[in-house]
Amino acid sequence: DAGITQSPRYKITETGRQVTLMCHQTWSHSYMFWYRQDLGHGLRLIYYSAAADITDKGEVPDGYVVSRSKTENFPLTLESATRSQTSVYFCASTRDTNQPQHFGDGTRLSIL
Amino acid sequence: AQSVTQPDIHITVSEGASLELRCNYSYGATPYLFWYVQSPGQGLQLLLKYFSGDTLVQGIKGFEAEFKRSQSSFNLRKPSVHWSDAAEYFCAVGPCPHGSGNTGKLIFGQGTTLQVKP
Repeated sequence: DAGITQSPRYKITETGRQVTLMCHQTWSHSYMFWYRQDLGHGLRLIYYSAAADITDKGEVPDGYVVSRSKTENFPLTLESATRSQTSVYFCASTRDTNQPQHFGDGTRLSIL
Repeated sequence: AQSVTQPDIHITVSEGASLELRCNYSYGATPYLFWYVQSPGQGLQLLLKYFSGDTLVQGIKGFEAEFKRSQSSFNLRKPSVHWSDAAEYFCAVGPCPHGSGNTGKLIFGQGTTLQVKP
C-alpha cells in the first residue's frame, strides 16, 4: 500500500537551474494536484490534472511546468528556479471530485 | 469567489482541555468541507469531511465538526486534547468548478497551529 510518494524529500539547488519534483500514486486516481506551502499563505494550488494528458493552471502557476503522460505520475518542473520558489511542495490525488484528496509527504525545496 | 478563513493562527490549550478550531467559508452552493491535520515534516492527513446529511460529523482521533449553514462555519472540536494533537490544522472547501466542469480543486484556509501545554 504505497499510496502517494514524492521525491526527492529534500532538494537544494541554485537560481537558474532546472529542477523536477516527482509525484507517483499507486491508486490510479484520475485527479492530481500540486500545491506549495508557505508561511502565512497556507496551501496554494500550482497546477492540477483531471486525467492523463489533461492539465490546467491553479492559483500560482508562473514559473512551473507540469506533464501527465501516465495516470500515476505527475511531475512538476521549475524551468529556471528563483529564490521565491523556495517552499514546501505537496502533491495530492483523488479518485473523484467528491472525494477527499490524499497527500504525499512533501518536498522541501531550497533555492540559493 | 470561494474562500476559507481560519481566524486563529495559533492556539494553545492545556492537555485534557477541550478544543475548538474555527473555520468560516464563502461558497455559492452547498460545499464539501474538510479538516486536515499536518504534523511537522509530514503531509496532510484527513481528519473528517462533510458532504451532506447529518451536520455533526465524526472523524478520526476523537475529532468532530459541525456544519452550520446559517453561520457559514465548520468548526472542529475535541473534548479532551492530548499532547500528540499538537500540529497544524487546515480547513478546506470544495469542489471548485471550472467552466461547466468540476475540477475537484479545494480552497484551503491558512491553517491554525495548535500547541498543547502539559
